[in-house]
Amino acid sequence: GIQVEQSPPDLILQEGANSTLRCNFSDSVNNLQWFHQNPWGQLINLFYIPSGTKQNGRLSATTVATERYSLLYISSSQTTDSGVYFCAVLTQGGSEKLVFGKGTKLTVNP
Amino acid sequence: DAGVIQSPRHEVTEMGQEVTLRCKPISGHNSLFWYRQTMMRGLELLIYFNNNVPIDDSGMPEDRFSAKMPNASFSTLKIQPSEPRDSAVYFCASSPGYGSLYEQYFGPGTRLTVT
Repeated sequence: GIQVEQSPPDLILQEGANSTLRCNFSDSVNNLQWFHQNPWGQLINLFYIPSGTKQNGRLSATTVATERYSLLYISSSQTTDSGVYFCAVLTQGGSEKLVFGKGTKLTVNP
Repeated sequence: DAGVIQSPRHEVTEMGQEVTLRCKPISGHNSLFWYRQTMMRGLELLIYFNNNVPIDDSGMPEDRFSAKMPNASFSTLKIQPSEPRDSAVYFCASSPGYGSLYEQYFGPGTRLTVT
């Protein structure tokens, strides 16, 4: 099945810093989503982005489908950005299941 | 919209008991998904429904697990009998389209502890 690898596994930042999270996948995809799981366990949609670039406030994401990776940018990080960021993909012609990466755990210190 | 609603939020039960988790999807959504999250295995899809019909239950771990969707606004995931290894967070998600092609929206989850 498809492999989804996220890097780095852990990231510690000072408030105000910028960061880039990466998601590599091993096959062509029809669906790619970024989620934020906050410290209370809630999974929050960030982006639905099988290709192209989107921005939402301090967050933006880019998926380069032909090169099989996606990037999530967080600018001017805040303590509320802490949590785990997951990338999830659905392969073309494969099973109808979103496959999740293992996540990047982000800690933003005040 | 209220988003996906799950109940209970926390459940503690003894081994051998029956557990029923409940989910109300976002109104108008056509697909509903049940996931399980554990430290060891991460997030895994258990089963999903399109228009209330189960499409893929290959992720259901064993016959002790069953899921139903009697109508467009309600689904249950039942574990009978429960075992300690079933302890996990169970998420329900819904999507406006069919299958996993469209954006999925997750509920707050049910944290299940089986002692």
